[in-house]
Amino acid sequence: DTGVSQDPRHKITKRGQNVTFRCDPISEHNRLYWYRQTLGQGPEFLTYFQNEAQLEKSRLLSDRFSAERPKGSFSTLEIQRTEQGDSAMYLCASSSTGLTFSSYNEQFFGPGTRLTVL
Amino acid sequence: GIQVEQSPPDLILQEGANSTLRCNFSDSVNNLQWFHQNPWGQLINLFYIPSGTKQNGRLSATTVATERYSLLYISSSQTTDSGVYFCAVVPTTLMTTDSWGKFQFGAGTQVVVTP
Repeated sequence: DTGVSQDPRHKITKRGQNVTFRCDPISEHNRLYWYRQTLGQGPEFLTYFQNEAQLEKSRLLSDRFSAERPKGSFSTLEIQRTEQGDSAMYLCASSSTGLTFSSYNEQFFGPGTRLTVL
Repeated sequence: GIQVEQSPPDLILQEGANSTLRCNFSDSVNNLQWFHQNPWGQLINLFYIPSGTKQNGRLSATTVATERYSLLYISSSQTTDSGVYFCAVVPTTLMTTDSWGKFQFGAGTQVVVTP
């Protein structure tokens, strides 16, 4: 088990372009989360999946943002028509609704994708 | 929504010193985790501690859920302890377990340990 991985680690794009990020969770984890973190702040929740179902979306997730988890394994987060305000670190986390209550929903984070919109 | 307040916002320590970081939350929670964010942005799990006390080496944590606070203790600090420490909680709801998931993070405590 290599932990949560994210790709790319860094992305620089011009305003108006579309970008897509990928997250590979820990293999046996059924829940996957996306968060966004701007400089000097704590991460903010964007959305989460249980298996392939997207169960909750934050109001931060405008219609330019879309997330998928087509087979309940990896997930993608796409931002269309990027704006300078989208510059942030995008973090992915995963967890398991396993049988052991003491570890229920303990979340593990990936290294993040740092997006810069010029 | 639930409010999460961390104190102090900044902490400067000399190597070898002990410190206590605090996390107050405004509502009952069913998950609380402490993280250390390293200079590259990686969030490293320290403790999963919705209640009780845990210890891991020089670090320990205590959550008093009934009084809505958690404490993280760093003993004999080292320069590698530098970084931002976050407390994150999942509020208890009356809804189904499908609603259990999203973290509300505090603003963090920036810790600098000097040699």
